[in-house]
Amino acid sequence: DSGVTQTPKHLITATGQRVTLRCSPRSGDLSVYWYQQSLDQGLQFLIQYYNGEERAKGNILERFSAQQFPDLHSELNLSSLELGDSALYFCASSVVPSLNSGYNEQFFGPGTRLTVL
Amino acid sequence: KNEVEQSPQNLTAQEGEFITINCSYSVGISALHWLQQHPGGGIVSLFMLSSGKKKHGRLIATINIQEKHSSLHITASHPRDSAVYICAGNPGDSNYQLIWGAGTKLIIKP
Repeated sequence: DSGVTQTPKHLITATGQRVTLRCSPRSGDLSVYWYQQSLDQGLQFLIQYYNGEERAKGNILERFSAQQFPDLHSELNLSSLELGDSALYFCASSVVPSLNSGYNEQFFGPGTRLTVL
Repeated sequence: KNEVEQSPQNLTAQEGEFITINCSYSVGISALHWLQQHPGGGIVSLFMLSSGKKKHGRLIATINIQEKHSSLHITASHPRDSAVYICAGNPGDSNYQLIWGAGTKLIIKP
C-alpha cells in the first residue's frame, strides 16, 4: 500500500458527461501528479500541483481540469467525455525535494479505471 | 528518439532465469526511478537511485551516471514477477517532472 488513495476505482459513464476523480496523497506529501494511461500505452503526464498551486502541465486537454485543495487532496475533472478518454487515471504524490537534490520518488495510487460508453 | 529508452520492449523467460532490463538516457539526470506495473494496473515504486547499486530481495538495480545507463536485474525469476517494468529519469532541476521510458513487458513462464 503506497499510502495514496484514489476514488472511485471504477467509473462507467456516457459520452458528453462530466466526472470527477479524487486523490488523497500520502501524509506529508505536498505534490500531486495526474497521469493518464490508455490501453497498452505508457503513462502520459497530465498535470502537477504543489501545495495547492499548479506546478507543471503536460498533455492535458482543455476539457480536463484539476485542482489541489488546502487539505492537499486533489480532484481531476473530465468534461464532455469522449470514447477516447477511456483509460486508467493515476494519481501520484511525492515530497518535493529541495532544488537539485535529485530525488523525486513518486508513489502511485491504485488508479481509477474510466470507461466511456 | 526518446530521451529515456528501455530494452527489450518485451521479454519472455522461463521460471528461474536471471533477467536483465536496460534503461539508457540521453539527458542529464541526477536520479533514476524503477517502477513495476502489475497486470491489474497497480504501479509500485521499486528503486530510486543516483549511483551504484541497490538490492531488495531478488531485485537489483544499478546505475552508471557517466555512461547514462541503468539496469534492473531479477534473480531466480518467478511467474509473479510478470509485469511491466518502467524506468524514469529525474533531471533534478526545478522541473520536478520525471522523464518516462516506454516500459518493458516481462512474462515469466512456469
